[in-house]
Amino acid sequence: DVKVTQSSRYLVKRTGEKVFLECVQDMDHENMFWYRQDPGLGLRLIYFSYDVKMKEKGDIPEGYSVSREKKERFSLILESASTNQTSMYLCASSLTSHSYEQYFGPGTRLTVT
Amino acid sequence: DQQVKQNSPSLSVQEGRISILNCDYTNSMFDYFLWYKKYPAEGPTFLISISSIKDKNEDGRFTVFLNKSAKHLSLHIVPSQPGDSAVYFCAAQLDFGNEKLTFGTGTRLTIIP
Repeated sequence: DVKVTQSSRYLVKRTGEKVFLECVQDMDHENMFWYRQDPGLGLRLIYFSYDVKMKEKGDIPEGYSVSREKKERFSLILESASTNQTSMYLCASSLTSHSYEQYFGPGTRLTVT
Repeated sequence: DQQVKQNSPSLSVQEGRISILNCDYTNSMFDYFLWYKKYPAEGPTFLISISSIKDKNEDGRFTVFLNKSAKHLSLHIVPSQPGDSAVYFCAAQLDFGNEKLTFGTGTRLTIIP
């Protein structure tokens, strides 16, 4: 079974703090993704990576950056957290040959106060 | 601009009856469509998919129908079971091998025993 784990289930941070969200997958997948889920807006892609050290912007990259130094790990960074970044953050991974099927982690509920 | 839309935020269906979830898209270049299911406190899981060259794909109790001319797809669940209560997201992909998925806003399905 593919397993995607996220470092925290719940996180509370203050405005202006630097926030790191970590994601690890154990199936040697090439592709990794960060989404945020908000009521009425569904899942929106923030960034994705198709290889180590490679990244591409998704639909809403503003205010975020990412890092992929190892194949199994993909980090989302909020350089200076703001209240409008309060959301559920979901990490996913996929095999390039089956890129339509993404495997998701359980999510991190981030609250910025 | 929401390229994939699910106009019904919620749906309630009696156990044993058919559940029909709908999804509309605006980008005629989408080539592959998927449905994901999400339980509370869990990440979405892949349910069923359909290529644009087909108009129907069936997997057990789940059938997805695609009407390309109307840019519309639907997910039929029959018979509906209590365990089907979840949020359902449709997603679209530009072409197989393009890693990026565009998700809809989600429909919360409640099966009434």
